[in-house]
Amino acid sequence: GAVVSQHPSRVICKSGTSVKIECRSLDFQATTMFWYRQFPKQSLMLMATSNEGSKATYEQGVEKDKFLINHASLTLSTLTVTSAHPEDSSFYICSARALWASGSTDTQYFGPGTRLTVL
Amino acid sequence: RKEVEQDPGPFNVPEGATVAFNCTYSNSASQSFFWYRQDCRKEPKLLMSVYSSGNEDGRFTAQLNRASQYISLLIRDSKLSDSATYLCVVNPGYSSASKIIFGSGTRLSIRP
Repeated sequence: GAVVSQHPSRVICKSGTSVKIECRSLDFQATTMFWYRQFPKQSLMLMATSNEGSKATYEQGVEKDKFLINHASLTLSTLTVTSAHPEDSSFYICSARALWASGSTDTQYFGPGTRLTVL
Repeated sequence: RKEVEQDPGPFNVPEGATVAFNCTYSNSASQSFFWYRQDCRKEPKLLMSVYSSGNEDGRFTAQLNRASQYISLLIRDSKLSDSATYLCVVNPGYSSASKIIFGSGTRLSIRP
């Protein structure tokens, strides 16, 4: 099946630093990637939708200047958490939507997630 | 009303039991439906898609009722390894940019 990788899998940083998380679709092209955040014992919360070659669309309440998203190619999207603070500590998961030749959009494939801890 | 609602559980059942989860969705125009499984501190993984005609994959059966706007997941002969959180997922549209909507998940714990 389709594979999505995320790097790094875990990061610990000091408050005020910036952290970049990479999301790659390894064996398919993804015109759309999604970034989620999940706090303990809660469901996934969509942060933003990332489209290749255009600006990301952020969900209400998500600061676009704090969570910078770049989708430079059909296989790579990055999320940069700028000036991270302890409240940004969370599990960040990306996903990629596979657009098949048939034109149908179906399954969303998830990366393994990045656990961010801000001290 | 939430767009996708699930009973959060937890469901605690003995090994070998049959357990069923339901999920309701509010958008009658929703196009596709899925069940995902999420283990603790891991990413969600697709368990199965849900088709109008119902579909079965081994011990797992998924059904969709468009008239009542709910989907269900039935797990037969449950195993210890089935312990996880099961997420109901709804795709409201055809566009590649349409945002799938997650339910809050139902926690299942299988005891020996």
